[in-house]
Amino acid sequence: KAGVTQTPRYLIKTRGQQVTLSCSPISGHRSVSWYQQTPGQGLQFLFEYFSETQRNKGNFPGRFSGRQFSNSRSEMNVSTLELGDSALYLCASSVEGQTKYGYTFGSGTRLTVV
Amino acid sequence: AQSVTQLGSHVSVSEGALVLLRCNYSSSVPPYLFWYVQYPNQGLQLLLKYTTGATLVKGINGFEAEFKKSETSFHLTKPSAHMSDAAEYFCAVSDSGAGSYQLTFGKGTKLSVIP
Repeated sequence: KAGVTQTPRYLIKTRGQQVTLSCSPISGHRSVSWYQQTPGQGLQFLFEYFSETQRNKGNFPGRFSGRQFSNSRSEMNVSTLELGDSALYLCASSVEGQTKYGYTFGSGTRLTVV
Repeated sequence: AQSVTQLGSHVSVSEGALVLLRCNYSSSVPPYLFWYVQYPNQGLQLLLKYTTGATLVKGINGFEAEFKKSETSFHLTKPSAHMSDAAEYFCAVSDSGAGSYQLTFGKGTKLSVIP
């Protein structure tokens, strides 16, 4: 079956702009999580959605937001981009979201802010 | 708050040698523990996990890890390294029980395999 699909794979934006990233989970998976990966901070949890509801949110400023649609696809948005937002953004899907069942990660979207 | 420490940001082994990647966690209650692997320009792949039961956990590609509560450790091992094992490895922890939806990752260990 198809894996987790993230689009686009690469993105270059200018400081101050906004960006929207997309994630399509594995068919049947209703939970989508987002993580930011940078060389300095490593992997950090952004938020998790289940059935269109945000259940958990990491320690990121309000410029980072997300949503989930009725078909479980998810988008995350970053407004007023800063140079420090340059990172690999990873989406993970699972059936119900509980960590003990493991997550399937997408290949990520690499965002570069110039 | 939970935290994960991976000793050694970079480990080099010879092909055929033992692989040992170290992970220690900090948690007030026994957590769930995971090892993920990341190949260049790819996402993370689950290698193995400990939730409950047997403390020695076997995963994919010949890897295994042992949960040692007294040492708060979950080290990853493989008896014989293969060139294809070269990648970055991440140890992660989460709360146990229902309602746990967030992973906390270590900084990662990059494994190099020397032919």
